[in-house]
Amino acid sequence: DQQVKQNSPSLSVQEGRISILNCDYTNSMFDYFLWYKKYPAEGPTFLISISSIKDKNEDGRFTVFLNKSAKHLSLHIVPSQPGDSAVYFCAASLWNSGNTPLVFGKGTRLSVIA
Amino acid sequence: DTGVSQNPRHKITKRGQNVTFRCDPISEHNRLYWYRQTLGQGPEFLTYFQNEAQLEKSRLLSDRFSAERPKGSFSTLEIQRTEQGDSAMYLCASSFFSGTAYGYTFGSGTRLTVV
Repeated sequence: DQQVKQNSPSLSVQEGRISILNCDYTNSMFDYFLWYKKYPAEGPTFLISISSIKDKNEDGRFTVFLNKSAKHLSLHIVPSQPGDSAVYFCAASLWNSGNTPLVFGKGTRLSVIA
Repeated sequence: DTGVSQNPRHKITKRGQNVTFRCDPISEHNRLYWYRQTLGQGPEFLTYFQNEAQLEKSRLLSDRFSAERPKGSFSTLEIQRTEQGDSAMYLCASSFFSGTAYGYTFGSGTRLTVV
């Protein structure tokens, strides 16, 4: 049973435009969400996070939006750059229940075309 | 601080052999996690330690798998009697659980190929 779902395996965006990556989760108890970025032959690297008490968190070109009622979060990258081409993983945790290990989605491969 | 180090980077082994991987976490981190990633999947949780105590094991961790973290520093993951289905990237991550800090730092992984 996939608790964190990324239903788009891939996404292609023109340089300078907005990239929107989506993530859905099934466990309503999840209260902390993170996005990781992964280049080939490297481990995932932390990008941005959001607590369930917020609905938006912004860090430079990256913004994460959380819709708790829909159990949905999204990552916006504006403007997209060729160096953003990577696989993006959404992850979730039960932070207030003892900081449980992260549960990851299957990832979305983003290609930013120059 | 050199980040999370995993060795070896690649391992090719024959079915039925035993393999052991090592992970050296960031020195001040007290939590260490093992994940496995196969093609087209996200990282799947295997087990984690807080200091030297193994706090949780996933059902993915069959009895052929064992992990240790002696003295709460580096960790090893051993797979006995490897099977072709064990072929995957094994990722180690560490974090500092303080109640306020979060976010894992991952190593580059060990890619296991069982032939």
